[in-house]
Amino acid sequence: EPEVTQTPSHQVTQMGQEVILRCVPISNHLYFYWYRQILGQKVEFLVSFYNNEISEKSEIFDDQFSVERPDGSNFTLKIRSTKLEDSAMYFCASSGLAGVLEEQFFGPGTRLTVL
Amino acid sequence: KNEVEQSPQNLTAQEGEFITINCSYSVGISALHWLQQHPGGGIVSLFMLSSGKKKHGRLIATINIQEKHSSLHITASHPRDSAVYICAGLDSGGGADGLTFGKGTHLIIQP
Repeated sequence: EPEVTQTPSHQVTQMGQEVILRCVPISNHLYFYWYRQILGQKVEFLVSFYNNEISEKSEIFDDQFSVERPDGSNFTLKIRSTKLEDSAMYFCASSGLAGVLEEQFFGPGTRLTVL
Repeated sequence: KNEVEQSPQNLTAQEGEFITINCSYSVGISALHWLQQHPGGGIVSLFMLSSGKKKHGRLIATINIQEKHSSLHITASHPRDSAVYICAGLDSGGGADGLTFGKGTHLIIQP
């Protein structure tokens, strides 16, 4: 069964460093999303991406964040200068033709720890 | 801004019991998702619904758009159903993509 994959599973970085979290969505999906979950808190929407551009972003997704689809398979989230409060689990998700009105398939997540 | 509330926050039940988890939201939505999150953190989509009722195996999800309320039911519960169950709504405002998540219901099914 097709699945969303994410790498790495765990990333440890120093405050101020740049990190890139990688996702491979399901191959025929067109809509891609990033969410984050700070430990013990609820999942929060960061950004959605369609047709090679950001479709919507939340207040959390400030200038420190960027997303890219560098090739036909990967979807990346870059945090330019990490802060302690960026420590969280980051989930990538994808959905098909109907976009947000369709079931979203989630990756296993990347746990980001900022020291 | 939509607020999504779930109840109960925690639920412990015996194997075989019928489980109900409730979700209410404050503004109109175009779709509601029920998700399952296991202790390792992974999230699995269970249902997406915008009206009526859906059933998958022992899981049933219902939604009442007028009352802004949805329920997730588990019949003949089993210890492997132990997980956090999360509802998330998609606002019906134009162009909205982002889901608003509830805090989750932590379910433990004891053998």
